Amino acid sequence: GQNIDQPTEMTATEGAIVQINCTYQTSGFNGLFWYQQHAGEAPTFLSYNVLDGLEEKGRFSSFLSRSKGYSYLLLKELQMKDSASYLCAVRDWNADSNYQLIWGAGTKLIIKP
Amino acid sequence: DSGVTQTPKHLITATGQRVTLRCSPRSGDLSVYWYQQSLDQGLQFLIHYYNGEERAKGNILERFSAQQFPDLHSELNLSSLELGDSALYFCASSVTHMYGGAQETQYFGPGTRLLVL
Repeated sequence: GQNIDQPTEMTATEGAIVQINCTYQTSGFNGLFWYQQHAGEAPTFLSYNVLDGLEEKGRFSSFLSRSKGYSYLLLKELQMKDSASYLCAVRDWNADSNYQLIWGAGTKLIIKP
Repeated sequence: DSGVTQTPKHLITATGQRVTLRCSPRSGDLSVYWYQQSLDQGLQFLIHYYNGEERAKGNILERFSAQQFPDLHSELNLSSLELGDSALYFCASSVTHMYGGAQETQYFGPGTRLLVL
């Protein structure tokens, strides 16, 4: 079946580094996305990984291991504005030969001063 | 600003009523997706339209329906509303290519907050 697991909530300190993990089980993996969502607002795209390895974008980096069904989002030099939910989503090819995006429940990140 | 627009921003209505939510995708995007997000819950995929045709259905109730018009805007119709339908409804759009890729990134509109009293 299809399944995505993320921690429900994490807490980190301003200026520190935090790693948010995502594990997944899909039948036809075709890419993994990370989104940021502030409370009451729309999700915004952060990163996309389809090949193994690390993708770096400023303070944010995303890593993928397809063989392990594992990804993480690394946030450096944390700022208070990084307090948000982080959503992991995996694109999977389904039995109807269509891709679909499977969403994790999200990880609520709380940044403390 | 993602380029995806949704109207109205807020909607307050009563149980049993019917409402229509509207979405205009980013210029050039052929796919429109609808999602429901209840308070402190994850995103629930409802339905996907591509170039006017239904492509995939998620957890969409029979009381809900959607369509995508020739100009690519989409409408989500919610009828016989219940208290539990109160939620944020997001529309997202993407380019959509046969083999996927980064072009398939979904960009979300600001959402419509529906309150059913």
